[in-house]
Formats: sequence, C-alpha cells, structure tokens
Amino acid sequence: SQTIHQWPATLVQPVGSPLSLECTVEGTSNPNLYWYRQAAGRGLQLLFYSVGIGQISSEVPQNLSASRPQDRQFILSSKKLLLSDSGFYLCAWSTHPGGPAEAFFGQGTRLTVV
Amino acid sequence: AQSVTQLDSQVPVFEEAPVELRCNYSSSVSVYLFWYVQYPNQGLQLLLKYLSGSTLVKGINGFEAEFNKSQTSFHLRKPSVHISDTAEYFCAVSDGGGSNYKLTFGKGTLLTVNP
Repeated sequence: SQTIHQWPATLVQPVGSPLSLECTVEGTSNPNLYWYRQAAGRGLQLLFYSVGIGQISSEVPQNLSASRPQDRQFILSSKKLLLSDSGFYLCAWSTHPGGPAEAFFGQGTRLTVV
Repeated sequence: AQSVTQLDSQVPVFEEAPVELRCNYSSSVSVYLFWYVQYPNQGLQLLLKYLSGSTLVKGINGFEAEFNKSQTSFHLRKPSVHISDTAEYFCAVSDGGGSNYKLTFGKGTLLTVNP
C-alpha cells in the first residue's frame, strides 16, 4: 500500500532563517506531488506541483521554492523565512497521468515563524 | 479556470441531527468532485468522490453527496451526526484535463456537533 511521510510535524523558526520541509512517498512510482499551505479560514492554497523529477510548477509567486531530486521525494525550501510564511503545510500525491486527481495527504507541518 | 465555493464557513448542529454542507463549483469542462475531512492538526482524508455514473455518491462514516450538474453543486449530507464528526470539511474539484489533474479546494466548512 502507498504511504506518504512528511516531517517535521511542528517547526518554530526565526525570521530570516532557512527552511527545508521534506516529503516522501512509498508504494507508488511517478506520482504527481503537491505542496499546499493552509491558513485559517482560507482553505488550501496550492503552492507547487510536480509531474516528474526536476519538473516543478509554481502556482503563487512567493518566498518559497520546491525541488524534486528523486521520483518520490519532494522538498519545500526557503532561503529566508518571513512572518507571513507561518502556516500549516501539507504534502500530497496523486496518480499520474490519466487518472482523476484523488490526492492523498501527509500529516502536515505546522510552521511558526517568530 | 475552476473554482469552489463552500457557502457556510461554520455549521453547528446537535448530535443525531441531520446535516448538509453546501458546495458549488465552476469549471469550463467536465469535472471530478471530492469531499475531504480534516481533524485538528492532521492531514486531509478523502470522504467520497464523484468521477462519473450515479450522481448519488456514498462515502465513509455514513456521508453521502449528490452531484447536480445543472446547479453545479455537490452538497454533502449525513442523516444523523455524531460528536466524532466534528471536523473541517473541504470540497474540491479537478477538471480532469491536462496532465496533472490539479485539485482546487474550497475554503472549508467547520462542522461542530454539540451534545
């Protein structure tokens, strides 16, 4: 069966510090991978998605970047965090291609920038 | 472009009462529709999905939803809720086009079940 791992679960970082959140998927190959950010009362905002190794699409211009160094690994990064980067970050995967995007989510990372 | 509107940000109900969480979507092509549930500080779990076929879709935990193409709606219902159903519920749409099948989510509805 497929599983998705996302870590850390919680993170408190000072403004201006770097960020690296990691997500890995097991039990499937060549998945679509996604990073979402969730802010209270604003639903889920798609930040990045990837349909293959090294292929990253950005949905929203911002202080963050994403990379996919391996087929089932997706990393969210920042060189210098801003207060506005605080939020709940969710990684997800879905089948690719040809199937409806039923996405499967990780447990999320609560990031607080102080 | 596709979009999702969840008409109620909060829905309080009493235990064993019926509930309906409303969702409307817009899309220029055929769609796939989903409802997810999120418990505090956790990821999202799929409740049910509409891909094709019967417009009445049954999911986990006794939930069901009905796809109404003419009204572009996909409302979620449960005839009798439990305290454990307290959570945030998200409606999502995928247009099924292109090679990535992105999901667009609504802003969520917080369902609070009171004793």
